[in-house]
Amino acid sequence: GAGVSQSPSNKVTEKGKDVELRCDPISGHTALYWYRQSLGQGLEFLIYFQGNSAPDKSGLPSDRFSAERTGGSVSTLTIQRTQQEDSAVYLCASSSTGLATYYEQYFGPGTRLTVT
Amino acid sequence: QQQVKQSPQSLIVQKGGISIINCAYENTAFDYFPWYQQFPGKGPALLIAIRPDVSEKKEGRFTISFNKSAKQFSLHIMDSQPGDSATYFCAAVFGNEKLTFGTGTRLTIIP
Repeated sequence: GAGVSQSPSNKVTEKGKDVELRCDPISGHTALYWYRQSLGQGLEFLIYFQGNSAPDKSGLPSDRFSAERTGGSVSTLTIQRTQQEDSAVYLCASSSTGLATYYEQYFGPGTRLTVT
Repeated sequence: QQQVKQSPQSLIVQKGGISIINCAYENTAFDYFPWYQQFPGKGPALLIAIRPDVSEKKEGRFTISFNKSAKQFSLHIMDSQPGDSATYFCAAVFGNEKLTFGTGTRLTIIP
């Protein structure tokens, strides 16, 4: 079956512009996560959606970052007024909360964002 | 506060040797400890995982050893192959919450 997909794979934007990154989770997975991977910070959590519950936004680095998940499936991460320090690979993961699994998180290939 | 510490940062092992990567955690609420393998340009891929109620889990050439009292766990790669060259991340999670990652180990297997 299809894994987690993300688009675009690469995005170059000018400082101050807004960007939208998309994530399509594995079908049927109720939990969706966004992480950021950068050279200086390693892999860091950004935001987590679980079903219809309020998202855990505790990892968002500033109010320029927001995310939504429509219909419990596709998610969009939006970065407003991008800064050079936003340059990183943005990774999406999804997991199932069914009894047969133990919450394994499966990652997409990531979107490499470069802010010039 | 770094909750999962990983070492070494980089590791070079000869083909056929044993690669060992160590992690230590602080939060005793963590109840699931996965290892991820990442190749350049790809997302992390789940390699093997363990729950704290077992001390060892083996899958092929990959083994996790877990010491609950010491709050430490390690990944052993037996008969290491050049195709194992990648970056490895340990992680810890409570329930279905966010993963807390170690800082990663860049493993290079030399012929």
